[in-house]
Amino acid sequence: QVQLQESGPGLVKPSETLSLTCTVSGGSIRSYYWSWIRQPPGKGLEWIGYIYYSGSTNYNPSLKSRVAISVDTSKNQFSLKLSSVTASDTAVYYCARVSQYYDFLTGSYSYFDYWGQGNLVTVSS
Amino acid sequence: DIQLTQSPSFLSASVGDRVTITCRASQGISSSLAWYQQKPGKAPKLLIYAASTLQSGAPSRFSGSGSGTEFTLTISSLQPEDFATYYCQQLNSNPFTFGPGTKVDIK
Repeated sequence: QVQLQESGPGLVKPSETLSLTCTVSGGSIRSYYWSWIRQPPGKGLEWIGYIYYSGSTNYNPSLKSRVAISVDTSKNQFSLKLSSVTASDTAVYYCARVSQYYDFLTGSYSYFDYWGQGNLVTVSS
Repeated sequence: DIQLTQSPSFLSASVGDRVTITCRASQGISSSLAWYQQKPGKAPKLLIYAASTLQSGAPSRFSGSGSGTEFTLTISSLQPEDFATYYCQQLNSNPFTFGPGTKVDIK
């Protein structure tokens, strides 16, 4: 059974860089895409970006200038860095696995099938 | 960006009720839609992908339908453990947006 676990500081000061790591267990990080999603307290979900195990990335344009996602296949981990944080970046940050379903007639479809438990990060001085 | 709207935003229902939630996309997304269930303090849990494919382990009372711009999630007979917030997500194009959620509460 695949499990994901986020780790990192729960408190970050304004203007600093938020750093989180997601450790994958029960399966290999290879051959999958891996994603970060966040949820401000009491609000909805926002997709941040994803990375392929080979290192190629795709980011939400609204965050692209401040986001970097990296992968370490030797440790079965991938990481998120979000720079110049403000109070509006306070949220629960989730990591998730992106799987794909292939239909012979209609093409491929992605979905987030395994999620970490979430890590609350508060931005405050 | 593709915007998703969900209706209703809140619904109150009883155990055994049939419940339908609608998700509408601002432009066509083929069948690139997933549904998730989230309970307080927990991560979202995948229920449906590719608009209508039931995730392994998800109860068969959950079903999804639709393509293009209009999609539905149906719970055929609401169970006590189904009281939660439900989100749709489009994975057709960047950014992979989520709907605002539908909270299902006990009547």
